[in-house]
Amino acid sequence: GQNIDQPTEMTATEGAIVQINCTYQTSGFNGLFWYQQHAGEAPTFLSYNVLDGLEEKGRFSSFLSRSKGYSYLLLKELQMKDSASYLCAVPDNTDKLIFGTGTRLQVFP
Amino acid sequence: DTEVTQTPKHLVMGMTNKKSLKCEQHMGHRAMYWYKQKAKKPPELMFVYSYEKLSINESVPSRFSPECPNSSLLNLHLHALQPEDSALYLCASSQDRSSVYEQYFGPGTRLTVT
Repeated sequence: GQNIDQPTEMTATEGAIVQINCTYQTSGFNGLFWYQQHAGEAPTFLSYNVLDGLEEKGRFSSFLSRSKGYSYLLLKELQMKDSASYLCAVPDNTDKLIFGTGTRLQVFP
Repeated sequence: DTEVTQTPKHLVMGMTNKKSLKCEQHMGHRAMYWYKQKAKKPPELMFVYSYEKLSINESVPSRFSPECPNSSLLNLHLHALQPEDSALYLCASSQDRSSVYEQYFGPGTRLTVT
């Protein structure tokens, strides 16, 4: 089966850097997704990692280590609008996307 | 057009009502999904359609009935719902069911069952 763990809540200050961790256990691996979800809105795609290493996209970067079952999302130069839930998601062996519980990030001025 | 649209945005219904949620995408995606999301919880998969055929039903009660009239449309018919069914219902689509493709989510329908 799938097991995905992420911290429930994090806080950070505007302009800072924050790292949101995700550990997973899967039977087989088909990549890992990060989605952002603002309160009351739809999740939006941030990144997809299938190979080890860091992928950078502007202020957001995502890292994957398949051997450790570990990923993180790195947010730089935090802005107030980055306050949202960040969902780590991994497909299972039927291609069904399994979401972690999400990390609620609050950015303070 | 990278948008998934859903109607209505909000819906309040009684336990004896029949209503339908609608979802539409014009990205040529061949996989479409219904998710249910409770407050402060992640989305939970309900149904997956692939090439207009139902491919996954996550043991959802029969009071929820999905329909895929064509490759762009996905409906969720609701009948005799319970108050605990109140949630945000999200539709999503992806290029196909393969896990390598990101899912595009609609804005959701906020459903309240009274």
